[in-house]
Amino acid sequence: AQSVAQPEDQVNVAEGNPLTVKCTYSVSGNPYLFWYVQYPNRGLQFLLKYITGDNLVKGSYGFEAEFNKSQTSFHLKKPSALVSDSALYFCAVRDMRQAGTALIFGKGTTLSVSS
Amino acid sequence: DTGVSQDPRHKITKRGQNVTFRCDPISEHNRLYWYRQTLGQGPEFLTYFQNEAQLEKSRLLSDRFSAERPKGSFSTLEIQRTEQGDSAMYLCASSWALGNTGELFFGEGSRLTVL
Repeated sequence: AQSVAQPEDQVNVAEGNPLTVKCTYSVSGNPYLFWYVQYPNRGLQFLLKYITGDNLVKGSYGFEAEFNKSQTSFHLKKPSALVSDSALYFCAVRDMRQAGTALIFGKGTTLSVSS
Repeated sequence: DTGVSQDPRHKITKRGQNVTFRCDPISEHNRLYWYRQTLGQGPEFLTYFQNEAQLEKSRLLSDRFSAERPKGSFSTLEIQRTEQGDSAMYLCASSWALGNTGELFFGEGSRLTVL
């Protein structure tokens, strides 16, 4: 069975500092991995995905994520946080071998960036 | 706006009543997904369609829940004999079916409150 863990309910960082939001996953086969962001009263917005290739993927709003197969992790990062990055972040996974299956989401991590 | 649209955005009902939500996906997408999100949790998969065929249903989808996509375009999610535990945000998402690498595009959700 597929699963995703986001070990931190909340991450606090000062504006201008680097941020990391952690995600680990479990799938039977190779994973497709995704990050989404949710602002208050808004739908989930796609940030980035890892399918294959380079372990460092770049996405929207200056975010990037690093795929680490040995640690089964896909941490979200940004070199310099903005107050406007404050939101709820979800990691999601799909098993590459299971065609058509839905994304399985983690519980989410609230990112709070202080000025 | 050509994104995923959901209606109604908010629904308050009394326990035991039936409710129906509608989702209009992005027109080029032939996969449509329903998720449920409760406070403090990530989206939980309920069911998905490819065109008009319902291909997968979660164990969360009790027999009080039914989803349809009769012409492969819009979809409806009906909840019969609502219970207070059904209170949640119901999210619809759509994607292309080609390959398995595509991200989901989410609507803003339909919030259900069961009194």
